[in-house]
Amino acid sequence: EIVMTQSPATLSVSPGESATLSCRASQSVSSNLAWYQQKPGQAPRLLIYGASTRATGIPARFSGSGSGTEFTLTISSLQSEDFAVYYCQQYNHWYTFGQGTKLEIK
Amino acid sequence: EVQLLESGGGLVQSGGSLRLSCAASGFMFNRYAMNWVRQAPGKGLEWVSSISGSGDYTDYADSVKGRFTISRDNSKSVLSLQMNSLRAEDTAVYYCAKRDSSNSPFDPWGRGTLVTVSS
Repeated sequence: EIVMTQSPATLSVSPGESATLSCRASQSVSSNLAWYQQKPGQAPRLLIYGASTRATGIPARFSGSGSGTEFTLTISSLQSEDFAVYYCQQYNHWYTFGQGTKLEIK
Repeated sequence: EVQLLESGGGLVQSGGSLRLSCAASGFMFNRYAMNWVRQAPGKGLEWVSSISGSGDYTDYADSVKGRFTISRDNSKSVLSLQMNSLRAEDTAVYYCAKRDSSNSPFDPWGRGTLVTVSS
């Protein structure tokens, strides 16, 4: 099983600033990496797929990068609605998720 | 608009059974693989099972293999998950999600249905 490790577990950032979330795979997943946003009581929403392609309707302030085993989600100019939990997922070999990063207001 | 609506969750005793359903609309259901993903209270996401568009191919996480069965009725656009021999650790919100191809993420997801297994 491919293990996905996200860091940090919690990130405190002020609105208007940028946030950088990391995701590491235990073995290469090529670019088969997605990022999801989940707010309390809601289902996960796809943000990024193919490591760097924004899903339909996702604002340009969300960007993804990386390949192989190291990936990053960057959210620039944080808005109030961006504070949530973010999960990475590899879909290169079956499907596994990271444990999540909670982005909270500083 | 693609819509997925889960149902069938509830409270069940350990060792019992439950059948979840996911009603799909807004797309050609039989052309897409479908998946179940669960989330234990306050925890992360865990893939549970997948089924191909035709229903010919199914896959399961080791944690549910032999106890859960995924199926689909393409004539009714309904995805199902039969859960037997339930355990306390199966307690979670169960989401259904669409997948475009074998190398695709899950999008979109339904709102989920809560399964609580009492010991």
